[in-house]
Amino acid sequence: DVVLTQSPLCLPVTLGQPASISCRSSQSLLYSDGNNYLTWFQQRPGQSPRRLIYKVSNRDSGVPDRFSGSGSGTDFTLNISRVEAEDVGVYYCMQGSHWPHTFGQGTKLEIK
Amino acid sequence: EVKLVESGGGLVQPGGSLRLSCSASGFALTDYTMYWVRQAPGKGLEYVSAIGPRGDSTWNADSVKGRFAISRDTSKNELYLQMSSLRPEDTAVYYCVKDLHVTFDYWGQGALVTVSS
Repeated sequence: DVVLTQSPLCLPVTLGQPASISCRSSQSLLYSDGNNYLTWFQQRPGQSPRRLIYKVSNRDSGVPDRFSGSGSGTDFTLNISRVEAEDVGVYYCMQGSHWPHTFGQGTKLEIK
Repeated sequence: EVKLVESGGGLVQPGGSLRLSCSASGFALTDYTMYWVRQAPGKGLEYVSAIGPRGDSTWNADSVKGRFAISRDTSKNELYLQMSSLRPEDTAVYYCVKDLHVTFDYWGQGALVTVSS
């Protein structure tokens, strides 16, 4: 199975400051159709996961534009330009390029 | 509006069985691949089972193969997960998830399954 390794696992951030989460894959996520099927989810405390970004950099409707995704192949990044209190939670990357789909371990974002 | 509502969770003894249901609205199960994804207490996310849009293809994670079965009733637009030979390590919140181009675009609120004597 493809292993996704996220770092850091815990991310204390000051309000208004930027944050960055890395997701590294054990295999290239470049699919035969030219897409990298890398998705980012946010899970707020006590809630279900919510999709933020799909196919590396496509933001979902209603997701603030302070969230952005980048990368290709085996290295991907989720960036938050200015962290707000509502961003507290756990962030997961997931790959859909190889079967079975697999998730990263999660990165817990907290406010300093 | 897409909505997924799970039901059927609860406490079950090791070796027992349980069936989870997921009522889907706002779309037809026959148009999308559907998944069950679980999350053990305080842990990360794990794919469990999937069923293709035509219903003729199903997949299960190695950890549940031979014990869990995914199915659906298209007349009710409901998804199911039949779980048997349950183990304590199956304790988790089970989410019903809709797939769109191998990214999971909608999640239910989850159903808690606790396997304990």
